[in-house]
Amino acid sequence: RKEVEQDPGPFNVPEGATVAFNCTYSNSASQSFFWYRQDCRKEPKLLMSVYSSGNEDGRFTAQLNRASQYISLLIRDSKLSDSATYLCVVNPWKGNDMRFGAGTRLTVKP
Amino acid sequence: GAGVSQSPRYKVAKRGQDVALRCDPISGHVSLFWYQQALGQGPEFLTYFQNEAQLDKSGLPSDRFFAERPEGSVSTLKIQRTQQEDSAVYLCASSRGTGEYYGYTFGSGTRLTVV
Repeated sequence: RKEVEQDPGPFNVPEGATVAFNCTYSNSASQSFFWYRQDCRKEPKLLMSVYSSGNEDGRFTAQLNRASQYISLLIRDSKLSDSATYLCVVNPWKGNDMRFGAGTRLTVKP
Repeated sequence: GAGVSQSPRYKVAKRGQDVALRCDPISGHVSLFWYQQALGQGPEFLTYFQNEAQLDKSGLPSDRFFAERPEGSVSTLKIQRTQQEDSAVYLCASSRGTGEYYGYTFGSGTRLTVV
């Protein structure tokens, strides 16, 4: 079983739609959590951190459920520019590397 | 520098050739990471440095892979006797601290194709 698992998609949604991605992780001792965005043939870029209390950044909302070991990302009012691959990222323990999911591909269509 | 710089941007190697990939992290960043990303997959961890110390190399797939960061800044990932399965994008990332609070900044990657 992979350490971080995501539904690969693809998700094809119309502009203005709300879309949600889920991610599960296997290491219950994991300390910190992130969502990264990766455009085609580009490097991953940090989208947002995920906090236990949940957090929001504009149209993006991230949630963490430690008991069930899953993380979610909600995108409201999708824009064409949101089309990308969204990577779920988990830091297994303090001060060490991060583990990436395989990514969920989103295409927003006019 | 302003960002993480990797070179070369693209590398084509003949099977059996040795290659060296360079990463120049953001100035002052303590942590440096190497990842391998195959087509359609997420980045897979290779190795981690804190300053010049290689604290974790558990992700290196074989003893043909070697990484160093002798002065705690620039890092080199070396692959000896390249094989076709080594074809991937090699990403370098750096972090001001342990990454836990700051996340990573990635370089643009080196796309290695072994023919």
